Amino acid sequence: ETGVTQSPTHLIKTRGQQVTLRCSSQSGHNTVSWYQQALGQGPQFIFQYYREEENGRGNFPPRFSGLQFPNYSSELNVNALELDDSALYLCASTSTRGDYGYTFGSGTRLTVV
Amino acid sequence: GIQVEQSPPDLILQEGANSTLRCNFSDSVNNLQWFHQNPWGQLINLFYIPSGTKQNGRLSATTVATERYSLLYISSSQTTDSGVYFCAVEDSSYKLIFGSGTRLLVRP
Repeated sequence: ETGVTQSPTHLIKTRGQQVTLRCSSQSGHNTVSWYQQALGQGPQFIFQYYREEENGRGNFPPRFSGLQFPNYSSELNVNALELDDSALYLCASTSTRGDYGYTFGSGTRLTVV
Repeated sequence: GIQVEQSPPDLILQEGANSTLRCNFSDSVNNLQWFHQNPWGQLINLFYIPSGTKQNGRLSATTVATERYSLLYISSSQTTDSGVYFCAVEDSSYKLIFGSGTRLLVRP
């Protein structure tokens, strides 16, 4: 059974650019969610996807968008990057059975300069 | 929204000591998980424990849902236990809400 994998592991972007982060969910999981973790804080919920549709969103502006594909993998896109977007971005997957909770990937560390 | 509070915020232990980490939450929840975040940032799932008690080696956890708290016990701590421990609860809209974490340092 494979876990959740994210790519890339590290990324440096310039303010105003756009970025795409990728996530492959754990085998057997059909729901994926994304979290932003600033330094020294707990992760904050960005949004969740189920059956290729967004079914929950946290307090993040529309320039944060996502996709889920038929194989349950997902992308997080951020447009017009700001310095405050620098953070660790975590992807988590779960199954709707909800027996075992969420499994997280290793994250993508994004630095905006 | 649901508030999640963890205590203590920081903890320093000598190797071999025992400790208890606490998580309080402000409303009823669908589930609760404890995670250990390693130095590379990955959140390792320790327990999925919406209620009751579970044990895994030197770690155990208890959630009393009716009183809205959970406890994580670490016995005979090792230096590899160092890191940040997060409690996260799932609200009615299926999003995880994290506490601010307990930063644990185990000294040899």
